[in-house]
Amino acid sequence: DAKTTQPPSMDCAEGRAANLPCNHSTISGNEYVYWYRQIHSQGPQYIIHGLKNNETNEMASLIITEDRKSSTLILPHATLRDTAVYYCIVRVAGTGANSKLTFGKGITLSVRP
Amino acid sequence: NAGVMQNPRHLVRRRGQEARLRCSPMKGHSHVYWYRQLPEEGLKFMVYLQKENIIDESGMPKERFSAEFPKEGPSILRIQQVVRGDSAAYFCASSTTGVASGNTIYFGEGSWLTVV
Repeated sequence: DAKTTQPPSMDCAEGRAANLPCNHSTISGNEYVYWYRQIHSQGPQYIIHGLKNNETNEMASLIITEDRKSSTLILPHATLRDTAVYYCIVRVAGTGANSKLTFGKGITLSVRP
Repeated sequence: NAGVMQNPRHLVRRRGQEARLRCSPMKGHSHVYWYRQLPEEGLKFMVYLQKENIIDESGMPKERFSAEFPKEGPSILRIQQVVRGDSAAYFCASSTTGVASGNTIYFGEGSWLTVV
């Protein structure tokens, strides 16, 4: 079972920031927060991940609360191509039996013109 | 650096035939995961393999499905005697063995199986 909860959907105006929330109140100390997205009929695409600190890359920023019980993925300037299902997943890093990604239902982001 | 390569991208099989889906992981990756996505449903984990070893097959159906990742060559997901309910998108993913900084799992574009 997924260990995260996300709202089912949200929308955002093109060009504006999209802030996608995620709750993971039972996260363990050795679990990372990962974000993936799946555009219709494509494979899941890795976006970003983090352990404690906020992270930023060319796609997005990840803000993790100090208690690590929740996080927010920020797409700074959403475009129509960002319309997708976004998955927040907690995962133990490495290659042990518990390292697989377990997908929940995710949040459907619709970017409107 | 090429990504995770899956083939065929689309496969049509008649009921009772066998389907073989292939996955070549990213260069340097020795761990492979297979996921299935039924129409209008979420991604479900099937199996996790390391070269020549199955690490976790908790998501694999007990019958007709098997997976391997040989020392040489791609990982293969094999479905024997396919039924219409096997029609789905099958995604392969790969990762390195590293733990530091959290190793990332990358996905291929999927293989779409249609059983007629």
